[in-house]
Amino acid sequence: AQSVTQLDSHVSVSEGTPVLLRCNYSSSYSPSLFWYVQHPNKGLQLLLKYTSAATLVKGINGFEAEFKKSETSFHLTKPSAHMSDAAEYFCVVSDGVQGAQKLVFGQGTRLTINP
Amino acid sequence: DVKVTQSSRYLVKRTGEKVFLECVQDMDHENMFWYRQDPGLGLRLIYFSYDVKMKEKGDIPEGYSVSREKKERFSLILESASTNQTSMYLCASSLGSGNEQYFGPGTRLTVT
Repeated sequence: AQSVTQLDSHVSVSEGTPVLLRCNYSSSYSPSLFWYVQHPNKGLQLLLKYTSAATLVKGINGFEAEFKKSETSFHLTKPSAHMSDAAEYFCVVSDGVQGAQKLVFGQGTRLTINP
Repeated sequence: DVKVTQSSRYLVKRTGEKVFLECVQDMDHENMFWYRQDPGLGLRLIYFSYDVKMKEKGDIPEGYSVSREKKERFSLILESASTNQTSMYLCASSLGSGNEQYFGPGTRLTVT
């Protein structure tokens, strides 16, 4: 079975400094991995996805993530945080089942940006 | 742009009531999903559907049922609401296997 562990429930950084949100996954085969963002009182929005092409994936709003198979990690980074990045972030793995392709969500990391 | 809409943003119901949560998507997606979101637990899959009139149990189906009579509409039903079903409910849809899911804005349900 697939699983995802987000290593930090809360991350706090200053505006203009780098962001690192950590995610480890468990999968019995080559997974598809996603990062979603949820701003307060809003639905989830896809930031980026990895589907076995390039290991460094670029997403929206300057975020990127690197797939490292040897470390079973898919950490999300951004060089310089902006106040508008304050939100909850979810690392997600697909279960690869044909058809509806269920997603398995991590517990979420709340990102706070300090002025 | 894909649009997933949910019938209510906020809902308050009493214990024992039958509750219907409606979800509609406008992009002809085959797959539709219902999740609940609780603090510290992330999103948990309740039910999903990969075709009209088809449904599959997710990870936490107990106390819920679903209906998909038309491709664009997927309903979540709480037959007899209980206080432990107080939660944020999110609907999503996707085009097919390997594709990302698009989420609605959510319905915050409170059962008193």
